[in-house]
Amino acid sequence: ELKVEQNPLFLSMQEGKNYTIYCNYSTTSDRLYWYRQDPGKSLESLFVLLSNGAVKQEGRLMASLDTKARLSTLHITAAVHDLSATYFCAVDPNRDDKIIFGKGTRLHILP
Amino acid sequence: DVKVTQSSRYLVKRTGEKVFLECVQDMDHENMFWYRQDPGLGLRLIYFSYDVKMKEKGDIPEGYSVSREKKERFSLILESASTNQTSMYLCASRTGGRYEQYFGPGTRLTVT
Repeated sequence: ELKVEQNPLFLSMQEGKNYTIYCNYSTTSDRLYWYRQDPGKSLESLFVLLSNGAVKQEGRLMASLDTKARLSTLHITAAVHDLSATYFCAVDPNRDDKIIFGKGTRLHILP
Repeated sequence: DVKVTQSSRYLVKRTGEKVFLECVQDMDHENMFWYRQDPGLGLRLIYFSYDVKMKEKGDIPEGYSVSREKKERFSLILESASTNQTSMYLCASRTGGRYEQYFGPGTRLTVT
């Protein structure tokens, strides 16, 4: 059974600090997605990573993919309160749209 | 901007009722999806569709059916609602030319 595990599941951090969210998955996949969900809202696509070594950045967020290690990271630089949300990673190992989501990392950034 | 709309934000139904959840997208996307989201479980795929009148089972199709009579509309049907179907239901769509899915606002369904 394919598993997608995020670590940590909950993170409380101070503004201005750096941190990394980890996403491990149990089978080969070269398609990995990061989504953001604000409380009471729907999911918004952040990054699509399609190959080993892929790195994408948007503002204070940077995502990377290591397909050999089956690991993706979402790095937050100099966190600001507006980044408080739940972040989900997801994989599509068979390229058939049967996407498997992680349980999400709830990020709370303290002012 | 891609817009995915769902017919209701909140819905309360009784056990045994037939429930229809409607989803409409306005960007001519070929692919549409239904997920449910439960605390601590993340999102789980119920059904998806690549084209009109086509459907594919996701990970948890039991107790659900779907209908896609028009390209822009994808309906999720609970034939006989049960309390364990109380959940947040999210619809999404995707065009063949892109990988990411665009999500609707969700319908929070409570079955009593």
